[in-house]
Parts: sequence; C-alpha cells; structure tokens
Amino acid sequence: EVHLVDSGGGLVQPGGSLRLSCAASGFTFNSYAMSWVRQAPGKGLELVSSISFNGGSTNYANSVKGRFTISRDNSKNTLYLQMNSLRAEDTAVYYCAKTVILEAGDLSRVNFDSWGQGTLVTVSS
Amino acid sequence: DIQMTQSPSTLSASVGDRVSITCRASQSISSWLAWYQQKPGKAPKLLIYKASSLESGVPSRFSGSGSGTEFTLTISSLQPDDFATYYCQQYNSYLGVTFGGGTKVEIK
Repeated sequence: EVHLVDSGGGLVQPGGSLRLSCAASGFTFNSYAMSWVRQAPGKGLELVSSISFNGGSTNYANSVKGRFTISRDNSKNTLYLQMNSLRAEDTAVYYCAKTVILEAGDLSRVNFDSWGQGTLVTVSS
Repeated sequence: DIQMTQSPSTLSASVGDRVSITCRASQSISSWLAWYQQKPGKAPKLLIYKASSLESGVPSRFSGSGSGTEFTLTISSLQPDDFATYYCQQYNSYLGVTFGGGTKVEIK
C-alpha cells in the first residue's frame, strides 16, 4: 500500500524559509515522478511543482518560480520542497502526491494517484 | 491556461439519489480528465482518470463520461460516505494542469 507522510510545515514570517519533506513507502519510489500540490484555506487545488523519477527534470507554477525548489533523495525515499521568500499568499496545506505522467519526460501532463496527508504552512507576521 | 468550470458549486442530495456533476474545459482536452474526492481535513483521492477509467478500489457507483470540453461525474446511488467535495483536473495541456473550482455534495 502506498504511504506518503508530509512534514515540515509551520508558522513562518513573510520573507522566511521552510523546507517540507515527504517520506514515501509501499512503492518503488525511484520509478515515479512526484509533485507538490497546495490548497489555500477554503480554496481549491493548485499544482506547485513536479519532479521526474530521477530528479533530472522539474517544473514549477509561475507563482513560485524562482522561490521554491523541488528535489528528491531516492536513497531515502524522500521528496522535498525548499520554500524561500515566502509570502502571505503561500499560506496553504501542502500535499505531496505520487504522479502519473502521460509521456516519459513530460511533467506538464500529469495526474495524481496517491496523496500525503498534507502539512500546513502559515506565512504571517 | 485551460480553464475548468464545474457546476453546480454546491449540490444538495439524499442517500440513494443519482447525482451528476459537470466539468467544462475552455478548450478541448480530449479525454485527459481526472476526478478527485476530498473530505474535510483530508487529502484528495483519485476516483476517475482518462475521463472514464475507474481507479482501482473505487466503488462502481462512480462513473465518468465525456470528451472534448464537457465531462460528467455520476454517482449512481449516493451513499453516506460520498458527501464530500469533488474536483476535476485537466492534464492535456503542455501549459500545465488545472483544477476545477470544486463541487460540494451535501446532505439534503
């Protein structure tokens, strides 16, 4: 059974940094693309970033490009999201998600077949 | 970006009802559409992919249909566990994925 455990969220001041982690088990982690999807309080879902199975390709939403960095450690079965220069509008629950891609190497056309439980990031002074 | 519009935004129904939710795309997405269920305080759960393919383990009362720009999620007989918010998501565009705004199914 696929199991994804998100952690690392918390309260941070505007301009601050935070690193999220997602520990994966129950599947061959190094064979799958992974993503972070967020949900602002009372709002809908937004794809933040995706990474290929080997970390060689990444993509980002325009809203976080240049501020967030996705990475993975396949030896530890762990996905990361480094978030810098945080803004109030980044406040959300962040979910990691096991990602299904349509074509090898294409991270733009994906869906998500398993999700972590989410970790709350609050950006406020 | 491709815009995804769900209707209705809220749906009131009773246990046993047949329920349908519509998702419209601003341009054709072929059959590259997924549906998710989300309960309060929980992560979304994949129900349907490629417009009509049922994800493993999902009850057969859920079905999806449509292609191009108009899609439907149908629950044939609403069960107490089905009261939740449902989201569609397109994954056809090289510009990236987009989600619909959600449809909350509540008890009548």
